[in-house]
Amino acid sequence: DTAVSQTPKYLVTQMGNDKSIKCEQNLGHDTMYWYKQDSKKFLKIMFSYNNKELIINETVPNRFSPKSPDKAHLNLHINSLELGDSAVYFCASSQDPEGAWRGYTFGSGTRLTVV
Amino acid sequence: TQLLEQSPQFLSIQEGENLTVYCNSSSVFSSLQWYRQEPGEGPVLLVTVVTGGEVKKLKRLTFQFGDARKDSSLHITAAQPGDTGLYLCAGAGGSSNTGKLIFGQGTTLQVKP
Repeated sequence: DTAVSQTPKYLVTQMGNDKSIKCEQNLGHDTMYWYKQDSKKFLKIMFSYNNKELIINETVPNRFSPKSPDKAHLNLHINSLELGDSAVYFCASSQDPEGAWRGYTFGSGTRLTVV
Repeated sequence: TQLLEQSPQFLSIQEGENLTVYCNSSSVFSSLQWYRQEPGEGPVLLVTVVTGGEVKKLKRLTFQFGDARKDSSLHITAAQPGDTGLYLCAGAGGSSNTGKLIFGQGTTLQVKP
């Protein structure tokens, strides 16, 4: 199946821990994104990579570091997790930045709970 | 800062009723997209509208892009329980072509049988 897949689906961890979320797309897209969905369902962009290069870096704490080993993968590493980091994190992709007007393909999300 | 105001935030209706969801902004977008999100899943693209005044139909769903490309609406005719979900509008384009989408706050729709 062609898709955007992210793992894990659920992540429960203690404050202060470091965790990673992985994302892979087999759509042949050049651009990948990380969005955060808060408890009110509002989606806000965090990062975007185009062909392994960072092109969007919104106001996100330095504890969040994205890494793109190749254009099909975009991972998110979070250091020193805080309670406020609890949210659903979505990976998405588009053909290229200009092609975002056609829409994104989203992964199914990672629900992060920090206790 | 580009913002998209979506209304209403919550809608609970009976099966067979019609409804309209609005998405408004003071900014011009190159396109507006509508997504539907079900619990535990990611948003799924329903439609993209690009031209001012454009109307697109998807079965019982009608999408319209405002003439000035600042607003959009989603109308559902004869809603069914299967239409239940979170509906999100998203705007593309604007001042920089980075691929960034601006999302509205979402409309949670519940259709009761």
